Amino acid sequence: GENVEQHPSTLSVQEGDSAVIKCTYSDSASNYFPWYKQELGKRPQLIIDIRSNVGEKKDQRIAVTLNKTAKHFSLHITETQPEDSAVYFCAAPGHGGSQGNLIFGKGTKLSVKP
Amino acid sequence: DGGITQSPKYLFRKEGQNVTLSCEQNLNHDAMYWYRQDPGQGLRLIYYSQIVNDFQKGDIAEGYSVSREKKESFPLTVTSAQKNPTAFYLCASSIISSDTQYFGPGTRLTVL
Repeated sequence: GENVEQHPSTLSVQEGDSAVIKCTYSDSASNYFPWYKQELGKRPQLIIDIRSNVGEKKDQRIAVTLNKTAKHFSLHITETQPEDSAVYFCAAPGHGGSQGNLIFGKGTKLSVKP
Repeated sequence: DGGITQSPKYLFRKEGQNVTLSCEQNLNHDAMYWYRQDPGQGLRLIYYSQIVNDFQKGDIAEGYSVSREKKESFPLTVTSAQKNPTAFYLCASSIISSDTQYFGPGTRLTVL
């Protein structure tokens, strides 16, 4: 089945700096990789996703890159702002016994200091 | 996200009681999911359903039960067999399984 590893577990940056969160996956058949942002006490919300037919996708200050050969994908946030402070989760499709659902990483707590 | 609702927002239960958490979606999604989240932790899958009248156990199904009698509804029952049920419960849905999941606002369950 799929295994998703996410690093780092915590990340602290100064406002205006960039933040990078990396996830690795184990199943080469995986073809869809979403990223979610969860603010304290709120629901996770999709912020960006990428499918395996592209290597990079960008939406304003947020970008995701995918390296299928190395089986990893990364979230890049540029010009960070205090409102970017949250927990970020990556995910990949389950396979085998987990087919039919997404496998989530354990999350990265991002703190942006003003 | 506005198409997925969960109720109640807060729920208090006495030990030994069963409680049912509601999840409804009007997005016409086939797949629905239940997750448990403990403070500072990630998302753990309890049950999921890819189609009406069918559901599968997730990683932590013991002490929980579900039903999927209607496409729009996927209620979760936390039974007295669940020894540590205090947590934040999130419901999600997706058009098809293994695709983008959209989450409800969550129910915070506390056992007194």
